[in-house]
Amino acid sequence: AQSVTQLDSQVPVFEEAPVELRCNYSSSVSVYLFWYVQYPNQGLQLLLKYLSGSTLVKGINGFEAEFNKSQTSFHLRKPSVHISDTAEYFCAVSRYGGATNKLIFGTGTLLAVQP
Amino acid sequence: ETGVTQTPRHLVMGMTNKKSLKCEQHLGHNAMYWYKQSAKKPLELMFVYSLEERVENNSVPSRFSPECPNSSHLFLHLHTLQPEDSALYLCASSQGSQSRGNTIYFGEGSWLTVV
Repeated sequence: AQSVTQLDSQVPVFEEAPVELRCNYSSSVSVYLFWYVQYPNQGLQLLLKYLSGSTLVKGINGFEAEFNKSQTSFHLRKPSVHISDTAEYFCAVSRYGGATNKLIFGTGTLLAVQP
Repeated sequence: ETGVTQTPRHLVMGMTNKKSLKCEQHLGHNAMYWYKQSAKKPLELMFVYSLEERVENNSVPSRFSPECPNSSHLFLHLHTLQPEDSALYLCASSQGSQSRGNTIYFGEGSWLTVV
């Protein structure tokens, strides 16, 4: 079975500073990896996903993530954050070629950008 | 503007009431999902419909009853709920299976409070 760990429940950061949100996963098989963002009072929106190929994936709003198979990690980064990036960020994993339609989510990390 | 719309956005119901949540997707997708989002917990996948057929039911109590009359509409019928069922219920859709790395698109959610 797959699982996702987001160790940081909240990450405070000042505006224009860099940020990294950590995500580690556990799986005995190949997986697809995702980052979703949830702005206040909204549903989740896809930021980026890793399916195969280059381990550095670029997403919307200047975010990027790097897939590290040896460390089973998929950390999300942004070099300079804005106030508008304040939101909850969810890492998720799905099994490669699995028969079941299941996306496993982490518990989320609240990114709180301060002026 | 989201391609997945949910109504109502907010619902307060007593434990003996019967109510329904409605979801409509305008994206031409062939799979629809219900998720439950509770504070400090990972998103829980409740039901999956693929081509209007329920393909997954993650041990959800029978007081939650889904219905998918066609590929664009999904309902969640609620009956004799408990206070611990209070949560944000998210509808989502995708073209094809989550397990193939396809992006799922979420609605803004229905906030349910059981009193």
